[in-house]
Amino acid sequence: DTGVSQDPRHKITKRGQNVTFRCDPISEHNRLYWYRQTLGQGPEFLTYFQNEAQLEKSRLLSDRFSAERPKGSFSTLEIQRTEQGDSAMYLCASSRTGGHTEAFFGQGTRLTVV
Amino acid sequence: AQTVTQSQPEMSVQEAETVTLSCTYDTSESDYYLFWYKQPPSRQMILVIRQEAYKQQNATENRFSVNFQKAAKSFSLKISDSQLGDAAMYFCAYRSTTSGTYKYIFGTGTRLKVLA
Repeated sequence: DTGVSQDPRHKITKRGQNVTFRCDPISEHNRLYWYRQTLGQGPEFLTYFQNEAQLEKSRLLSDRFSAERPKGSFSTLEIQRTEQGDSAMYLCASSRTGGHTEAFFGQGTRLTVV
Repeated sequence: AQTVTQSQPEMSVQEAETVTLSCTYDTSESDYYLFWYKQPPSRQMILVIRQEAYKQQNATENRFSVNFQKAAKSFSLKISDSQLGDAAMYFCAYRSTTSGTYKYIFGTGTRLKVLA
């Protein structure tokens, strides 16, 4: 069990470019979450998968954001035509199904849009 | 929709003393989970303690304990014998048990400073 892994750890991009982040959850976890966190704030829910099915997506998430989890293992989060307001830490978490389950978080990908 | 409120942006505690962090939440559900997460400066969130709403007994984990008041929708975290390593952001989180709604909802956090 190596924990939740996110790549890259840091990304600097120019406004208007597309970026893609990857998350590898803990291997036996079938739920995977994406959150966005800005400085001094709590994590804000973006989307959630159970296996390969995307079960919920935040209404705050614009059409520029898309996430996939093609084989129910790793997930990618893509942001198209990045804007300065997209600058944030993007956190991935995973959990098992069942009642007594907490989410385990990765170290996050810090995105800076210049 | 459920909400989580942490009204203390920052707290300070002397090393070896006790501190309590507050959290209130709003929900119409009767069964749910509550969590406290710690986020040190390295930014990886780790679980501190969790509470199932159907359990009346307050959860404890070593120096960490909660005061869960279901009727008041209050879920405070008590840290006893505070240590320098406890300095971090602390987030209160809610998770529904309703099928298909398993997202975690977080408060805005409390920054805890531990003074030597």
